[in-house]
Amino acid sequence: AQSVTQLGSHVSVSEGALVLLRCNYSSSVPPYLFWYVQYPNQGLQLLLKYTSAATLVKGINGFEAEFKKSETSFHLTKPSAHMSDAAEYFCAVSASDTGRRALTFGSGTRLQVQP
Amino acid sequence: GAGVSQSPSNKVTEKGKDVELRCDPISGHTALYWYRQSLGQGLEFLIYFQGNSAPDKSGLPSDRFSAERTGGSVSTLTIQRTQQEDSAVYLCASSLSGTGVRQPQHFGDGTRLSIL
Repeated sequence: AQSVTQLGSHVSVSEGALVLLRCNYSSSVPPYLFWYVQYPNQGLQLLLKYTSAATLVKGINGFEAEFKKSETSFHLTKPSAHMSDAAEYFCAVSASDTGRRALTFGSGTRLQVQP
Repeated sequence: GAGVSQSPSNKVTEKGKDVELRCDPISGHTALYWYRQSLGQGLEFLIYFQGNSAPDKSGLPSDRFSAERTGGSVSTLTIQRTQQEDSAVYLCASSLSGTGVRQPQHFGDGTRLSIL
């Protein structure tokens, strides 16, 4: 079984500041991990994924995440926030074995970017 | 476009009515997923189709919910005798293959269902 915990339902940063969105996972098998972004009235867009290759994963829009097995974490970062980054962000996990294929999502973090 | 297409984008119906939600996946994607996004429950898995295999229905919340996928392409999610707690955004996703879970899921914009 897998689960995801996202710490902080709301995060507010100033434009140009570092963005850090936290995600911790629990999985009985090696996980595949994903970050998705959702803009208002839209579906989820994939930002990046970890599938057991490099532990530092670079995604779109300048985001990256680092898989840390010892901390069971997959935090999302961006060095400098832009106003267009304001959205809701979801961390998700799926099993790497032949078990459940569907994604298990965290509860989401709404990012607000202040001018 | 080449993305996942869902229809209708919005649906308002009266309690007790049946509704059908449609998902047209990306061409060539063999795996199709339905999720529900609601305020109190977040994003929940409903059902998963992979090729001709029996679907994984483990996320369906009650027997009022059913889904089918015709010809390995378009899928319809049906909710019978709708209840107010069914109000949510229903998201469909597809991916190249369910066996290779490395493949990311691509999401449609969802159907916003409101039960009066």
